[in-house]
Amino acid sequence: NAGVTQTPKFRVLKTGQSMTLLCAQDMNHEYMYWYRQDPGMGLRLIHYSVGEGTTAKGEVPDGYNVSRLKKQNFLLGLESAAPSQTSVYFCASRASGGRDEQYFGPGTRLTVT
Amino acid sequence: GENVEQHPSTLSVQEGDSAVIKCTYSDSASNYFPWYKQELGKRPQLIIDIRSNVGEKKDQRIAVTLNKTAKHFSLHITETQPEDSAVYFCAASSSGGGADGLTFGKGTHLIIQP
Repeated sequence: NAGVTQTPKFRVLKTGQSMTLLCAQDMNHEYMYWYRQDPGMGLRLIHYSVGEGTTAKGEVPDGYNVSRLKKQNFLLGLESAAPSQTSVYFCASRASGGRDEQYFGPGTRLTVT
Repeated sequence: GENVEQHPSTLSVQEGDSAVIKCTYSDSASNYFPWYKQELGKRPQLIIDIRSNVGEKKDQRIAVTLNKTAKHFSLHITETQPEDSAVYFCAASSSGGGADGLTFGKGTHLIIQP
């Protein structure tokens, strides 16, 4: 039982390049989330999903797209990376049915030059 | 939307003393309040949480108190140890069975002085 995993762990992009971050969970959780963490800041919600085939915007969605084609996977895409998107990205998942705890992945450190 | 304020940003205490971190929230609909500990380069780890129908919860050296009227909640760590050194985040959510994400405070860097 791996919990929540993220791929890749590190990535360096040039401005304008695109990439996709993958989050996978093996706990059969309904809900999944993408957060970003910047120095001196708490985590901020980018997008989330309440189930397969559904997505919704969080607090800071601009510049990102997401997809949830399979229940266990939640993808975060950057179509045209900008230096302002340099951050650590965390994925999390949570069960439905009134269980509130979110389980976090190990994070992806992204640098955009 | 929800806004969570956390203070202090840095807290230095002597080993063995107590540490208190405070948070306020703005949305009266919020009903779930977790606290996370994050060590350098690691993922956030849940250490304790409380729901709005409870005023206090304790787990060994860690306790959380909630004042719904004043919209604030606090983390109390007693008998601090060197391994308690980390960044602590409070968060709030109005999940109530829904799927809303968490709104985090900006974190408190807790330093335990030997």
